[in-house]
Amino acid sequence: ETAVFQTPNYHVTQVGNEVSFNCKQTLGHDTMYWYKQDSKKLLKIMFSYNNKQLIVNETVPRRFSPQSSDKAHLNLRIKSVEPEDSAVYLCASSYWGGDEQYFGPGTRLTVL
Amino acid sequence: GQQVQQSPASLVLQEGENAELQCNFSSTATRLQWFYQRPGGSLVSLLSNPSGTKHTGRLTSTTVTKERRGSLHISSSQITDSGTYLCAMERGTGYQNFYFGKGTSLTVIP
Repeated sequence: ETAVFQTPNYHVTQVGNEVSFNCKQTLGHDTMYWYKQDSKKLLKIMFSYNNKQLIVNETVPRRFSPQSSDKAHLNLRIKSVEPEDSAVYLCASSYWGGDEQYFGPGTRLTVL
Repeated sequence: GQQVQQSPASLVLQEGENAELQCNFSSTATRLQWFYQRPGGSLVSLLSNPSGTKHTGRLTSTTVTKERRGSLHISSSQITDSGTYLCAMERGTGYQNFYFGKGTSLTVIP
């Protein structure tokens, strides 16, 4: 049963456009994450949010910005997308310091 | 360079055989985590292990932090175990500096 929801499933856009991805978790977790998985399947953490505070930002370009309205939601906005942004973006949640993360199904972004 | 190295890159087993997946990391880690990614892409946490050995079902995770290595043992493999197994190294607490390996692709055949 899915408890981390992501929309959209797919998004195709052109270079320079702005995109926004949504993520919601219904598990009551206090920490949420965004990951990027590239075409070679390498997974990299982009952001983590704990109680609406940014915890880590792993050398992510400034055109990426996470947005959180409450601990159950963490959206990702990309201003002016570039071809190298094409990837699958995975959202996850957990308890702070917990052993398990729960992942959403991902959003596949294609930048033409 | 790559902070987390996994081996083998791919592995084919017959159903019922055991699998041993390796994970080596290049700097001090506070915890090693194992994840499973289904062929369709969804990701699942398997085991989290700061040191020593942990078991869950047919899975055993061993982490030797001082030697910067870990392993995941899958006993009596099943066809449904097929997929990619990812190792991730955590360097701080709370998922700060969290680095993934490229994964081991496991195929279990009848």
